[in-house]
Formats: sequence, structure tokens, C-alpha cells
Amino acid sequence: DQQVKQNSPSLSVQEGRISILNCDYTNSMFDYFLWYKKYPAEGPTFLISISSIKDKNEDGRFTVFLNKSAKHLSLHIVPSQPGDSAVYFCAASEKGAQKLVFGQGTRLTINP
Amino acid sequence: KAGVTQTPRYLIKTRGQQVTLSCSPISGHRSVSWYQQTPGQGLQFLFEYFSETQRNKGNFPGRFSGRQFSNSRSEMNVSTLELGDSALYLCASRRTGFDTDTQYFGPGTRLTVL
Repeated sequence: DQQVKQNSPSLSVQEGRISILNCDYTNSMFDYFLWYKKYPAEGPTFLISISSIKDKNEDGRFTVFLNKSAKHLSLHIVPSQPGDSAVYFCAASEKGAQKLVFGQGTRLTINP
Repeated sequence: KAGVTQTPRYLIKTRGQQVTLSCSPISGHRSVSWYQQTPGQGLQFLFEYFSETQRNKGNFPGRFSGRQFSNSRSEMNVSTLELGDSALYLCASRRTGFDTDTQYFGPGTRLTVL
């Protein structure tokens, strides 16, 4: 039972264009969502988060959108840079659960 | 400020052995969580400690255990290793015990079981 799903295993984007990574969830009790970026043989690096009371959060080139009715969130990266090439994980937490539930990840490749 | 550190970074063990992994959280962080990453199952929650108390445990067998010390450092132990325990073990820390407090991850320990 996968509560957090990233249906695109990979995504290829031209440098300078927008990258859009998607994530769906099934647990309506999730109230906090995060995006992490991961390089091979390293731990995930925190990018941006959003609380369920918001529908958008921005931090520099990164924007996360949350659609609670659709149980869907997305990460927008504008403009995309070669250093953005990595695996991106969305994660969700439920109040009081003290744990993150992760999606399977999307490998983003930025082409020059 | 130094990040989360994990030791050792790489470990090779044989089936039936036991292993202990160590995690030092970011200074001032009181919550430590452990996750297992495998190609098949992805990133899965093992357990979380706050102020030396385990508050939640994932769906893993009792061979997986952990503890947290008074300085917030944490160890996890896996006994009677199986081939399927080969994975990247990640530790994450956060300042408080609140779910909305961001978890910051260490580089992981790559465990290979032969």
C-alpha cells in the first residue's frame, strides 16, 4: 500500500526550462509535505516544504504547489540548471506519527 | 554548523552476523530517525527517537533495534543479518519532536551482507 506515489520514474528537461515533478498521495491525514533531492551514495538534501494549510510555497527557483482536494503536489524548478540533475523524492508526514513516508523518486536529468 | 554524521560509511558483513551503526545529529537536535533505502522498497522508516525514547517504529522485524543516548547520538543494531538487509541506512535529525520540523539527513551507511 503505497501512500505516496511518484508516477514518473524519470524526467528529462532542457537547461533553462521549467522542470515539474509530480507526487500523489492517498492518506488524507497527511498534513506536511516535503521535497528532497538525492545524489547517489549521499543522503537526501532538503529542498522545500509545505503545510496543508497552504497551497503554495516558494524558495528561490523552487516552488511547491499543493492541491488537497486532488491529493496532489508538484515541485516546479525555474530555470532548470545542470546541477539540478538528481533523484527527487516527495515525502509526507501525518501529525503525531513522527515519520516521513516517501515516494519512489523521480530521476531528473537537465540537458545542456 | 556541522551536519548529521554517520559512521561507518561502508560496511561488509556476512549472514548471521550483527552490526551496529552510529549517528550523530546536528548540534541541538533532539530527534533522530532511521530509514532504510533499497532499490525495491525505496526509503522506509525504521524508528524515531526523541529524548532517549522510541516514539514510533516502522514495519521491520525485531532484529532491527536502536537507542538514543543523553547527548542525542543514536545507534541502530541489526542482529542475525540476512542478505535482504543490504541497503543504505540513513539517519535524520530535527531540532524538535514536531512533525512539521524539517528532518535533515546524514550521508548514510552502505551495508552489504554477503
